[in-house]
Amino acid sequence: DIQVTQSPSSLSASVGDRVTITCRASQSISAYLNWYQQKPGKAPKILIYAASTLQSGVPSRFSGSGSGTDFTLTISSLQPEDFATYFCQQSYNTPFLTFGGGTKVEIK
Amino acid sequence: QVQLQESGPGLVKPSETLSLSCSVSNGSVSSGSYYWTWIRQSPGKGLEWIGYIYYSGSTNYNPSLKSRVTISLDVSKNQFSLKLRSVTAADTAVYFCARVIINGWLRFFDPWGQGTLVTVSS
Repeated sequence: DIQVTQSPSSLSASVGDRVTITCRASQSISAYLNWYQQKPGKAPKILIYAASTLQSGVPSRFSGSGSGTDFTLTISSLQPEDFATYFCQQSYNTPFLTFGGGTKVEIK
Repeated sequence: QVQLQESGPGLVKPSETLSLSCSVSNGSVSSGSYYWTWIRQSPGKGLEWIGYIYYSGSTNYNPSLKSRVTISLDVSKNQFSLKLRSVTAADTAVYFCARVIINGWLRFFDPWGQGTLVTVSS
C-alpha cells in the first residue's frame, strides 16, 4: 500500500496569510496526487488534480506543486471562506486509492 | 451538472448488512467515461475509499474491506449501490458516493454526494 502523510494536521492562520500544506507519499507517485477541501458537514470538493492542475471554478489563490514523493498545496492569501479541512489523495496505486489524514485550517 | 444523492437506513445492527444506494441525476451510470465509487469518513480513520464500479459491471475494492463489500449498478434506475456485510461499530461513518474522473492512471472524485451517516448499534 502507498501511504500519504499530511502535515501539519492543523494550523492557525489569519486572513491574508500565505498557507502551505504538505503531503508526502511513502514511495514515488509521479504526479498522481489530488487535493480536496472539506467544510464542516459537507462533502469534500476537488481543488487540484495531477498535483498542479486547478479544477475549473477554483480560485487562483490555490496552487499545487510537487512530484515524486513530496507535494504542496499553497493558498496565497487566505480568505474567510478557506477555513476548512484539506485532504490529499493518491491515485498512482490505482485501483487502490488512499487519502492523507487531513489538515484543518483554523482562524487565528 | 451531475448530482449524486445517497439513501438508506441510518441505523444498522451489528452483524447485519449495511445497504445504501446512490441516485445519479443529470448524468448516466452507463457512461464509459467514469467509475462510480463509495467512500466513507469516520473520526478514527479519516477518508477511506471503499470501492468502485464501471459501467460494464467490473469492480475494484479496498483490500481491507473486500471480503465484506459488494458494489452493484442498476442502469434502469440510474443508480449504484453498496452492501457491506457483517458490520461492527467500526463501520460507523458518513458514507459518500462520488463519480470518479479517469485520465490514464489519474483518478479523482468529482462530484460527491452530500453523504449519509450510518451508525452501527443495537
